[in-house]
Amino acid sequence: DARVTQTPRHKVTEMGQEVTMRCQPILGHNTVFWYRQTMMQGLELLAYFRNRAPLDDSGMPKDRFSAEMPDATLATLKIQPSEPRDSAVYFCASSTNDRRPLSSGNTIYFGEGSWLTVV
Amino acid sequence: QKEVEQNSGPLSVPEGAIASLNCTYSDRGSQSFFWYRQYSGKSPELIMSIYSNGDKEDGRFTAQLNKASQYVSLLIRDSQPSDSATYLCAVNGGYGSNNNDMRFGAGTRLTVKP
Repeated sequence: DARVTQTPRHKVTEMGQEVTMRCQPILGHNTVFWYRQTMMQGLELLAYFRNRAPLDDSGMPKDRFSAEMPDATLATLKIQPSEPRDSAVYFCASSTNDRRPLSSGNTIYFGEGSWLTVV
Repeated sequence: QKEVEQNSGPLSVPEGAIASLNCTYSDRGSQSFFWYRQYSGKSPELIMSIYSNGDKEDGRFTAQLNKASQYVSLLIRDSQPSDSATYLCAVNGGYGSNNNDMRFGAGTRLTVKP
């Protein structure tokens, strides 16, 4: 059963600490997304990659957030230093890429999310 | 103005009724439209997609698209308590887009009462 895998599922950390979230996209998917979800803002697109290259990270606070894809099977989202306002659910999602608009045939599939609490 | 707008609700309907969920979007060049369902504590899952003006039916779900009005809706017929969830409208493509990003609305929380 192909699925997007995220770790950790839950993380509680103190303000100022570094947080790293990891994502394994579905095998064969070459587009990876990072979303953040909060009650106030809903689902926000932070960044996404195609073939490991960053395409858009305009939604990501650059001063403390960084996203990378060291290889095709691993995407990371790092927050350093973390702040209480970063508390949210962080979703990774993946899809196949062919430059056409997304369709039901190549829509995005979400991981189960990483629930982050910064105290 | 947000790119994708939804009424946050909560929307409450009795079991068996029709639930109507609405969404507007700002990018007139948007090409693909999706409805995701998200149960509390879970990740979003795709339930409907629509690309052309008009209606698209899938079981108890009907998606409606009006590109001139930049409006998408989802109707759920014969609502069941198991339909209680947050419904997210998502829009893909558009002017300045490279077709792989997906923008979500804040979601409408639906409660179906037995």
